Amino acid sequence: QKEVEQNSGPLSVPEGAIASLNCTYSDRGSQSFFWYRQYSGKSPELIMSIYSNGDKEDGRFTAQLNKASQYVSLLIRDSQPSDSATYLCAWGANSGGYQKVTFGIGTKLQVIP
Amino acid sequence: KAGVTQTPRYLIKTRGQQVTLSCSPISGHRSVSWYQQTPGQGLQFLFEYFSETQRNKGNFPGRFSGRQFSNSRSEMNVSTLELGDSALYLCASSLDGPGPNEKLFFGSGTQLSVL
Repeated sequence: QKEVEQNSGPLSVPEGAIASLNCTYSDRGSQSFFWYRQYSGKSPELIMSIYSNGDKEDGRFTAQLNKASQYVSLLIRDSQPSDSATYLCAWGANSGGYQKVTFGIGTKLQVIP
Repeated sequence: KAGVTQTPRYLIKTRGQQVTLSCSPISGHRSVSWYQQTPGQGLQFLFEYFSETQRNKGNFPGRFSGRQFSNSRSEMNVSTLELGDSALYLCASSLDGPGPNEKLFFGSGTQLSVL
């Protein structure tokens, strides 16, 4: 079983709509969760992190974490064409006394003008 | 502040050869993590170094190795290259290592092609 399950997409949404990206994980020992954005040909960059159950908002982005159901999601409100990218969910868990960050395969988001 | 620097940007090798990739972290960062990225597998964790010590290792064969120098620069080496090693190799630096309050800063990567 993969540690992180993420739909690779592509997910297409019209401009101005809400894009919903989801990720499930298998390790209940996971402590921290991250969303990275990767534009084509570029390296990943962190956009959100979340550690507690519930929602965390940052501008147009909202991360949601449900540890009981083992899923984490990212909502992008008022989607813009510039949001078109691959979104990687990642989680951190202790391994040998230190944190190891594992990534999902990424969901490709296309925002249609 | 300069970002994470990876060299070379592109590499073409043939099967059986070995290759060394370099990563210079952001000044002051002591942790360097290495990832392999392929279209089918996504980002796969290779290993993490902190203060010249390997703290974590992913599920890759022994052909993949790394080290870190006293100035925090890191190298990874792949020996006896196979076609399946063709990938983008990314390194990421952070102050004290991956953690809840740590952000990973990625370099531009080294695109390795094995022919």
